[in-house]
Amino acid sequence: DGGITQSPKYLFRKEGQNVTLSCEQNLNHDAMYWYRQDPGQGLRLIYYSQIVNDFQKGDIAEGYSVSREKKESFPLTVTSAQKNPTAFYLCASSLRLAGGPGANVLTFGAGSRLTVL
Amino acid sequence: AQKITQTQPGMFVQEKEAVTLDCTYDTSDPSYGLFWYKQPSSGEMIFLIYQGSYDQQNATEGRYSLNFQKARKSANLVISASQLGDSAMYFCAMREGLNKFYFGSGTKLNVKP
Repeated sequence: DGGITQSPKYLFRKEGQNVTLSCEQNLNHDAMYWYRQDPGQGLRLIYYSQIVNDFQKGDIAEGYSVSREKKESFPLTVTSAQKNPTAFYLCASSLRLAGGPGANVLTFGAGSRLTVL
Repeated sequence: AQKITQTQPGMFVQEKEAVTLDCTYDTSDPSYGLFWYKQPSSGEMIFLIYQGSYDQQNATEGRYSLNFQKARKSANLVISASQLGDSAMYFCAMREGLNKFYFGSGTKLNVKP
Protein backbone atom coordinates (compact mmCIF):
# COMPACT_ATOMS: atom_id res chain seq x y z
CA ASP A 1 0.00 0.00 0.00
CA GLY A 2 1.19 3.49 -0.80
CA GLY A 3 1.78 5.82 2.08
CA ILE A 4 4.17 7.76 4.27
CA THR A 5 6.30 6.08 6.90
CA GLN A 6 7.67 8.09 9.79
CA SER A 7 10.15 6.73 12.29
CA PRO A 8 10.66 6.52 15.13
CA LYS A 9 7.16 6.86 16.55
CA TYR A 10 8.54 7.96 19.93
CA LEU A 11 11.91 9.55 20.55
CA PHE A 12 13.59 10.85 23.67
CA ARG A 13 16.46 13.30 23.50
CA LYS A 14 18.80 14.75 26.04
CA GLU A 15 19.42 18.46 25.91
CA GLY A 16 22.25 19.34 23.55
CA GLN A 17 21.73 16.35 21.28
CA ASN A 18 20.76 16.42 17.63
CA VAL A 19 18.15 13.93 16.51
CA THR A 20 16.92 12.96 13.06
CA LEU A 21 13.35 12.02 12.22
CA SER A 22 12.84 9.85 9.17
CA CYS A 23 10.13 10.33 6.55
CA GLU A 24 9.76 8.03 3.54
CA GLN A 25 6.96 8.04 0.96
CA ASN A 26 6.14 5.64 -1.87
CA LEU A 27 3.35 7.73 -3.37
CA ASN A 28 5.57 9.23 -6.06
CA HIS A 29 4.68 12.66 -4.71
CA ASP A 30 6.88 15.57 -5.63
CA ALA A 31 6.39 17.81 -2.61
CA MET A 32 7.15 16.92 0.99
CA TYR A 33 6.61 18.84 4.21
CA TRP A 34 7.42 18.84 7.90
CA TYR A 35 4.97 20.22 10.43
CA ARG A 36 5.22 20.69 14.15
CA GLN A 37 2.19 20.35 16.41
CA ASP A 38 2.13 21.43 20.04
CA PRO A 39 -0.59 20.23 22.46
CA GLY A 40 -3.98 21.74 21.68
CA GLN A 41 -2.66 23.66 18.71
CA GLY A 42 -2.68 23.51 14.96
CA LEU A 43 0.14 22.62 12.60
CA ARG A 44 3.04 24.91 11.92
CA LEU A 45 5.23 24.49 8.86
CA ILE A 46 8.92 23.85 9.50
CA TYR A 47 10.30 23.11 6.02
CA TYR A 48 8.99 22.00 2.67
CA SER A 49 10.50 20.69 -0.53
CA GLN A 50 8.93 20.76 -3.96
CA ILE A 51 11.65 18.88 -5.83
CA VAL A 52 14.78 16.88 -5.10
CA ASN A 53 17.75 18.90 -3.87
CA ASP A 54 15.59 21.93 -3.15
CA PHE A 55 13.77 22.99 0.01
CA GLN A 56 12.40 26.16 1.58
CA LYS A 57 12.02 27.35 5.14
CA GLY A 58 8.57 27.45 6.63
CA ASP A 59 7.34 29.59 9.50
CA ILE A 60 9.43 28.00 12.28
CA ALA A 61 12.62 26.71 10.61
CA GLU A 62 15.07 27.94 13.25
CA GLY A 63 16.81 25.05 14.98
CA TYR A 64 15.83 22.53 12.31
CA SER A 65 17.51 21.26 9.15
CA VAL A 66 16.39 19.03 6.28
CA SER A 67 17.73 17.35 3.16
CA ARG A 68 16.07 16.06 0.00
CA GLU A 69 18.56 13.83 -1.77
CA LYS A 70 15.90 11.39 -3.00
CA LYS A 71 12.33 11.97 -4.07
CA GLU A 72 11.11 9.41 -1.54
CA SER A 73 12.92 10.73 1.52
CA PHE A 74 12.80 13.97 3.52
CA PRO A 75 14.54 13.58 6.89
CA LEU A 76 14.28 16.28 9.55
CA THR A 77 17.09 16.99 12.00
CA VAL A 78 16.19 18.70 15.24
CA THR A 79 19.38 20.41 16.33
CA SER A 80 20.52 21.51 19.77
CA ALA A 81 19.76 25.07 18.65
CA GLN A 82 16.03 24.33 18.84
CA LYS A 83 15.14 25.67 22.30
CA ASN A 84 11.87 23.85 22.84
CA PRO A 85 11.82 20.74 20.65
CA THR A 86 9.31 18.67 22.63
CA ALA A 87 6.39 18.29 20.19
CA PHE A 88 4.59 16.03 17.75
CA TYR A 89 6.13 16.09 14.28
CA LEU A 90 4.15 15.28 11.16
CA CYS A 91 5.55 14.61 7.72
CA ALA A 92 3.31 15.05 4.67
CA SER A 93 3.50 14.86 0.91
CA SER A 94 1.50 16.02 -2.08
CA LEU A 95 1.58 15.96 -5.85
CA ARG A 96 3.04 19.10 -7.33
CA LEU A 97 0.48 20.08 -9.90
CA ALA A 98 1.41 22.19 -12.89
CA GLY A 99 -1.28 24.70 -12.09
CA GLY A 100 -4.99 25.18 -11.70
CA PRO A 101 -7.26 24.60 -8.74
CA GLY A 102 -6.74 20.84 -8.42
CA ALA A 103 -7.15 19.15 -5.09
CA ASN A 104 -3.47 18.50 -4.33
CA VAL A 105 -4.37 16.80 -1.08
CA LEU A 106 -1.78 16.56 1.68
CA THR A 107 -1.18 12.98 2.78
CA PHE A 108 0.28 12.57 6.26
CA GLY A 109 2.41 10.05 8.06
CA ALA A 110 1.49 8.77 11.52
CA GLY A 111 3.80 11.24 13.25
CA SER A 112 6.80 11.17 15.57
CA ARG A 113 6.59 12.32 19.17
CA LEU A 114 9.81 13.88 20.43
CA THR A 115 10.41 14.46 24.12
CA VAL A 116 13.41 16.26 25.53
CA LEU A 117 14.50 14.91 28.91
CA ALA B 1 -3.89 38.30 9.92
CA GLN B 2 -4.79 34.66 10.47
CA LYS B 3 -5.18 32.71 7.26
CA ILE B 4 -7.52 30.14 8.81
CA THR B 5 -9.72 30.78 11.83
CA GLN B 6 -11.59 28.13 13.76
CA THR B 7 -13.49 29.81 16.58
CA GLN B 8 -14.82 26.71 18.34
CA PRO B 9 -12.12 25.11 20.53
CA GLY B 10 -14.54 22.39 21.61
CA MET B 11 -17.95 21.10 20.59
CA PHE B 12 -20.35 18.51 21.95
CA VAL B 13 -22.94 16.70 19.86
CA GLN B 14 -25.37 13.93 20.64
CA GLU B 15 -24.90 10.70 18.76
CA LYS B 16 -26.96 10.57 15.53
CA GLU B 17 -27.37 14.34 15.40
CA ALA B 18 -25.74 16.68 12.87
CA VAL B 19 -23.00 19.14 13.82
CA THR B 20 -21.39 22.09 12.05
CA LEU B 21 -17.76 23.03 12.61
CA ASP B 22 -16.92 26.59 11.64
CA CYS B 23 -14.01 27.77 9.51
CA THR B 24 -13.24 31.14 7.98
CA TYR B 25 -10.29 31.90 5.76
CA ASP B 26 -8.40 34.87 4.42
CA THR B 27 -6.77 35.01 1.02
CA SER B 28 -6.45 37.32 -1.96
CA ASP B 29 -5.44 34.47 -4.29
CA PRO B 30 -8.32 33.71 -6.70
CA SER B 31 -7.25 30.07 -6.93
CA TYR B 32 -7.20 28.19 -3.63
CA GLY B 33 -8.36 24.98 -2.06
CA LEU B 34 -10.05 24.29 1.24
CA PHE B 35 -9.67 21.05 3.18
CA TRP B 36 -10.87 19.41 6.34
CA TYR B 37 -8.81 16.87 8.23
CA LYS B 38 -9.69 14.67 11.19
CA GLN B 39 -7.09 13.90 13.86
CA PRO B 40 -8.02 11.08 16.27
CA SER B 41 -6.16 10.65 19.53
CA SER B 42 -3.62 8.46 17.73
CA GLY B 43 -2.32 11.59 16.02
CA GLU B 44 -2.63 10.70 12.34
CA MET B 45 -4.22 13.30 10.08
CA ILE B 46 -7.04 11.90 7.97
CA PHE B 47 -8.25 13.79 4.90
CA LEU B 48 -12.03 14.22 4.87
CA ILE B 49 -13.15 16.60 2.16
CA TYR B 50 -11.95 19.19 -0.36
CA GLN B 51 -13.49 22.29 -1.95
CA GLY B 52 -11.88 24.21 -4.77
CA SER B 53 -12.35 27.96 -5.04
CA TYR B 54 -13.89 27.59 -8.50
CA ASP B 55 -16.24 24.78 -7.56
CA GLN B 56 -19.85 25.86 -7.94
CA GLN B 57 -21.35 23.17 -5.77
CA ASN B 58 -20.63 22.31 -2.17
CA ALA B 59 -18.45 19.24 -1.76
CA THR B 60 -19.89 16.11 -0.17
CA GLU B 61 -18.21 12.88 0.94
CA GLY B 62 -20.53 10.43 2.62
CA ARG B 63 -21.63 11.96 5.93
CA TYR B 64 -19.38 14.99 5.42
CA SER B 65 -20.35 18.07 3.51
CA LEU B 66 -18.60 21.39 3.16
CA ASN B 67 -20.78 24.50 3.31
CA PHE B 68 -18.78 26.85 1.08
CA GLN B 69 -19.78 30.51 1.19
CA LYS B 70 -17.23 32.29 -0.95
CA ALA B 71 -18.40 35.85 -0.34
CA ARG B 72 -18.22 35.28 3.41
CA LYS B 73 -14.95 33.36 3.11
CA SER B 74 -16.31 30.52 5.14
CA ALA B 75 -15.95 26.77 4.69
CA ASN B 76 -17.88 25.04 7.43
CA LEU B 77 -17.84 21.28 7.83
CA VAL B 78 -21.16 19.56 8.41
CA ILE B 79 -21.16 16.04 9.83
CA SER B 80 -24.52 14.34 9.58
CA ALA B 81 -25.66 11.50 11.83
CA SER B 82 -22.73 11.77 14.24
CA GLN B 83 -21.11 8.58 15.45
CA LEU B 84 -19.00 7.90 18.53
CA GLY B 85 -16.02 7.36 16.23
CA ASP B 86 -16.31 10.95 15.05
CA SER B 87 -14.89 12.17 18.36
CA ALA B 88 -11.57 13.77 17.37
CA MET B 89 -9.85 17.03 16.54
CA TYR B 90 -10.90 18.58 13.26
CA PHE B 91 -8.68 20.95 11.31
CA CYS B 92 -9.61 23.29 8.51
CA ALA B 93 -6.83 24.02 6.03
CA MET B 94 -6.30 26.16 2.95
CA ARG B 95 -3.93 25.76 0.03
CA GLU B 96 -2.67 28.83 -1.78
CA GLY B 97 -0.78 28.40 -5.01
CA LEU B 98 0.68 24.98 -5.65
CA ASN B 99 1.93 23.87 -2.29
CA LYS B 100 1.44 26.47 0.44
CA PHE B 101 -0.88 25.11 3.11
CA TYR B 102 -2.26 26.85 6.20
CA PHE B 103 -4.02 25.16 9.11
CA GLY B 104 -6.44 26.40 11.72
CA SER B 105 -6.06 25.73 15.44
CA GLY B 106 -8.65 22.96 15.36
CA THR B 107 -11.96 22.07 16.97
CA LYS B 108 -12.24 19.18 19.42
CA LEU B 109 -15.48 17.33 18.79
CA ASN B 110 -16.97 15.07 21.44
CA VAL B 111 -19.86 12.82 20.46
CA LYS B 112 -22.04 11.83 23.41
CA PRO B 113 -23.86 8.49 23.46
